[in-house]
Amino acid sequence: DTEVTQTPKHLVMGMTNKKSLKCEQHMGHRAMYWYKQKAKKPPELMFVYSYEKLSINESVPSRFSPECPNSSLLNLHLHALQPEDSALYLCASSQVVPELGGEQYFGPGTRLTVT
Amino acid sequence: QKEVEQDPGPLSVPEGAIVSLNCTYSNSAFQYFMWYRQYSRKGPELLMYTYSSGNKEDGRFTAQVDKSSKYISLFIRDSQPSDSATYLCAMSANEYSGAGSYQLTFGKGTKLSVIP
Repeated sequence: DTEVTQTPKHLVMGMTNKKSLKCEQHMGHRAMYWYKQKAKKPPELMFVYSYEKLSINESVPSRFSPECPNSSLLNLHLHALQPEDSALYLCASSQVVPELGGEQYFGPGTRLTVT
Repeated sequence: QKEVEQDPGPLSVPEGAIVSLNCTYSNSAFQYFMWYRQYSRKGPELLMYTYSSGNKEDGRFTAQVDKSSKYISLFIRDSQPSDSATYLCAMSANEYSGAGSYQLTFGKGTKLSVIP
């Protein structure tokens, strides 16, 4: 099973709201990723977790706060977002060591609209 | 020069045609090569994964990697309307950090339409 699941599928939130995006995988992957994708653009890396520890933060504003509660789950907490943060948010997972399998598997995404 | 170049298209072909999608890259450290298919408003779906140079075939799809030319290709035989999507190439180097993670570099994606 190469499935990564994400909830919710769609989210509309105001600029003062707090919401969370959730991601789950059961492939035994110990690297998990958050990406942001705008229309007609490739995914843009936001955060990387390796062995449940944050290893890469691509200068993402603090209104995005990631969390990795265990090896299967990844959350992205959202607070005080701006309309320009509206995008498709993608979760992905992979083996930590590329020699074990260098490919990343993506979830279906959460389409976020900030009003 | 961008690290990964991919013609954004759009590319329109008749049903049954052979489709050739390509990416070139500049970073000679790239060793892991992927092709993703992304339908509108959906997440990218991994189609093909290749390590280093060579060919890989899976059904109607063939991936080729030529590291000497820094060029990768995806061929789709007997194309179907259901193949209409954006195809993203992605690649990574074996740059193992202390944290044990690595990053993908994506092409911009090629939008393909297969006309019945």
